[in-house]
Amino acid sequence: EIVMTQSPLSLPVTPGEPASISCRSSQNLLHGNGYNYLHWYLQKPGQSPHLLIYLGSNRASGVPDRFSGSGSGTDFTLQISRVEAEDVGVYYCMQGLESPLTFGGGTKVEI
Amino acid sequence: EVELVQSGAEVKKPGESLRISCRGSGYSFADYYIAWVRQMPGKGLECMGRIDPRDSYTSYSPSFQGHVTILVDKSVSTAYLQWSSLKASDTAMYFCARLGNWNDLDSWGQGTLVTVSS
Repeated sequence: EIVMTQSPLSLPVTPGEPASISCRSSQNLLHGNGYNYLHWYLQKPGQSPHLLIYLGSNRASGVPDRFSGSGSGTDFTLQISRVEAEDVGVYYCMQGLESPLTFGGGTKVEI
Repeated sequence: EVELVQSGAEVKKPGESLRISCRGSGYSFADYYIAWVRQMPGKGLECMGRIDPRDSYTSYSPSFQGHVTILVDKSVSTAYLQWSSLKASDTAMYFCARLGNWNDLDSWGQGTLVTVSS
């Protein structure tokens, strides 16, 4: 199965400052259709996860434009341009290229 | 609005059986796979498997194959996760999620907490 590795495990942030999370896959996630099957989720404290970014760089419906995703192949990055207090929680990357779907270990973002 | 509503929390003893549910609404239920995701206490997310509501085709992650059964009844837009003999190590939060067009989990249930303790 494809192994997903995130860094850092924990990320202290300051409101108004940028933040960045890295995700690396053990296999190339670039599909023959030209899309990278890499998705990002946020699980806020006490809540279910929700989709933030799909196919590496596309914001899901309702996601603020301060969130952006980039990368291709095996290396991906989630960036928050200006962190807000409501952005705290655990961020997960997930590959959707092959079964079983696999998640990174998560990055805890806290103020 | 797409919504997945899961059944309530369960407290069971080791060796007991259990089935939890996930009802979809606000979309054509048969057109999207449903996946189940485990989150053990204080830990990350693990995909357990998925099911196609059209024909009940299932695919399990190797770690969960043989330990759980995923079922669906499309007539009531509901997917199920079932255990025949629970263990203490099954204590976790279980989420169902809709598998979107890009193999992304684009909508999630609220979670069902399963506690297995003697």
